[in-house]
Amino acid sequence: DSGVTQTPKHLITATGQRVTLRCSPRSGDLSVYWYQQSLDQGLQFLIQYYNGEERAKGNILERFSAQQFPDLHSELNLSSLELGDSALYFCASSVGGAGEQYFGPGTRLTVT
Amino acid sequence: DQQVKQNSPSLSVQEGRISILNCDYTNSMFDYFLWYKKYPAEGPTFLISISSIKDKNEDGRFTVFLNKSAKHLSLHIVPSQPGDSAVYFCAASKSHSSFGAGTTVTVRA
Repeated sequence: DSGVTQTPKHLITATGQRVTLRCSPRSGDLSVYWYQQSLDQGLQFLIQYYNGEERAKGNILERFSAQQFPDLHSELNLSSLELGDSALYFCASSVGGAGEQYFGPGTRLTVT
Repeated sequence: DQQVKQNSPSLSVQEGRISILNCDYTNSMFDYFLWYKKYPAEGPTFLISISSIKDKNEDGRFTVFLNKSAKHLSLHIVPSQPGDSAVYFCAASKSHSSFGAGTTVTVRA
């Protein structure tokens, strides 16, 4: 158990809809990262927050947004969903900005 | 953004033998390198790391080698065990980590 929790575990929704994925980091970790893993693909970095502030941005679509709240949990919002958004979405946390990350179990999103 | 590449999607090795996983990167600004292991239906777990000021780091059966001039790192697992069968991701970091596509290792009994 990494100490990182993600909810929900599975999510099935229709094209055009909007969903919110939630992540609680390990106790004491200030950084939260979001990754997307599509079928047979590696981990695509989406975005990083550090202590409530956006720190780095990767290949995140404009339809996606995220935030980190004062209690350090984070939410990833995906809107106007398309079939190609179906993927595993992982959240990870770390103490600082560049060291080892601890991953949650992921949320499997299926867009039908 | 393909800054980190794992060119071998899969590797099959006999139990007890050495597994060698390779990773190449393009950005010379990366200063910290990590390997993660992932089992199906689980998130990746941190395995071993190396700072750019070192060329080798060892932890039990796992050794990571870094060749900065070639922008290449490798992970050696010896001896390989059936429980090592998993997907291995290489990552390179500066302000955040960039991950490779992963190498699926299968250890044969």
